[in-house]
Parts: sequence; structure tokens; C-alpha cells
Amino acid sequence: NAGVMQNPRHLVRRRGQEARLRCSPMKGHSHVYWYRQLPEEGLKFMVYLQKENIIDESGMPKERFSAEFPKEGPSILRIQQVVRGDSAAYFCASSPHRGAEETQYFGPGTRLLVL
Amino acid sequence: DQQVKQNSPSLSVQEGRISILNCDYTNSMFDYFLWYKKYPAEGPTFLISISSIKDKNEDGRFTVFLNKSAKHLSLHIVPSQPGDSAVYFCAASDESPGDKVIFGPGTSLSVIP
Repeated sequence: NAGVMQNPRHLVRRRGQEARLRCSPMKGHSHVYWYRQLPEEGLKFMVYLQKENIIDESGMPKERFSAEFPKEGPSILRIQQVVRGDSAAYFCASSPHRGAEETQYFGPGTRLLVL
Repeated sequence: DQQVKQNSPSLSVQEGRISILNCDYTNSMFDYFLWYKKYPAEGPTFLISISSIKDKNEDGRFTVFLNKSAKHLSLHIVPSQPGDSAVYFCAASDESPGDKVIFGPGTSLSVIP
């Protein structure tokens, strides 16, 4: 059973370009979470999605960031017009059900570098 | 405002001795706590958790203690092994609609052979 997959593992963008980060949850998991880890900091919650629905986006910056989890295919975190401050590791996690007791399984992350 | 705090950025322990990692939280609504372990260039891996109705949970070499009145929890690793060297994140969750997990900044543990 493959774990959570994220691609690309590394992404380099110039300021003003768009970044698309993909996350394929574990088989049978319909809940996806995105986190961001800035250098020297812990992981910060961004958004929680179920299939075709955004449940909680309280951690998402108001502009330039969006996320989706379509009925088919991976979850996508999209950052438009990237700036240097967007450079970070972006982790996706998935779980089979909602509930704090359900452990979230993390992917290996996408490291975004904005030049 | 950091709701989950890990005041020690790093910790060094001799192999075979006990490692104690501490965590404090400010939100009294948190009812579930987790510890994650993270190696460089990898995602966090779940280690152990504890519900707020308990004060101790043990799993092999790992034990988590929770003191609700002090809003404090700790992770004990005994005996410590070199393979335990990693960054350890304390995390907490409440019953908000998103069940989002709030992470602390992490403590980097080095176990010296």
C-alpha cells in the first residue's frame, strides 16, 4: 500500500510564476490536509479538504493561494505569482476519516524555492 | 500567537539514557495530543498520541505524559538509540470542524553513541 505521494519533490520558480504542488493520498483516504513549514519553524496548517469540498481553509493566505481535491486525481495546492517568502516545504497529509483520533499520514513534502 | 510551544530547540542525550522532550500549550480546548518524528528530507511520521482523558500512554520505548492542569506534556524515550536522532514535533488538536493539527516548532534530538 503506497503512502502519501507528493510531486514534485523539489520545485524552483522565479518571482511572479505559478507553482502547482500535487498530493495523492493513501489508498482509501478521502481527507487531505496541507501544511507549510518555513525555515526554522514548525508545520503550519493551511487547508483541509475532502473530495470536491474545502472544509477548513483558515490557514490559507487570503491571496494567491488556492487548493482543490477533485473527484478524480490528486489534490492540488496552487500558488500564483510566487514571491520569495513562499519558499518553504509544503507537506500534504491524508486520513481515512475525520476525527482527531485518526492519524494523519504525511507525504515527503515538496520543497519550493523562489528565486 | 503560538498555541503549542517547544522551548528547547535542541537536545543531546547519550545512547542508553532517557530522552525527555517537553511541550506546553495554551489552548484549553485541545483534547488530543500527538508526537511526530521527522528525519531530514522526509515528511513527519506519527509516533504516539494521547487523549485528554488520560495522563499517560506508553508504546514500547516511548511514553507520553499529559498534565492538563499545567497544560504540559512530555515525551520520554528510554533507552535512547542513535536512530532516534531526529526532529520531534509536539502537536495538538481540538474538535474544530477541520480537526486541524497545530504543531509546535520542534525539538532536534541528537543521541550520541
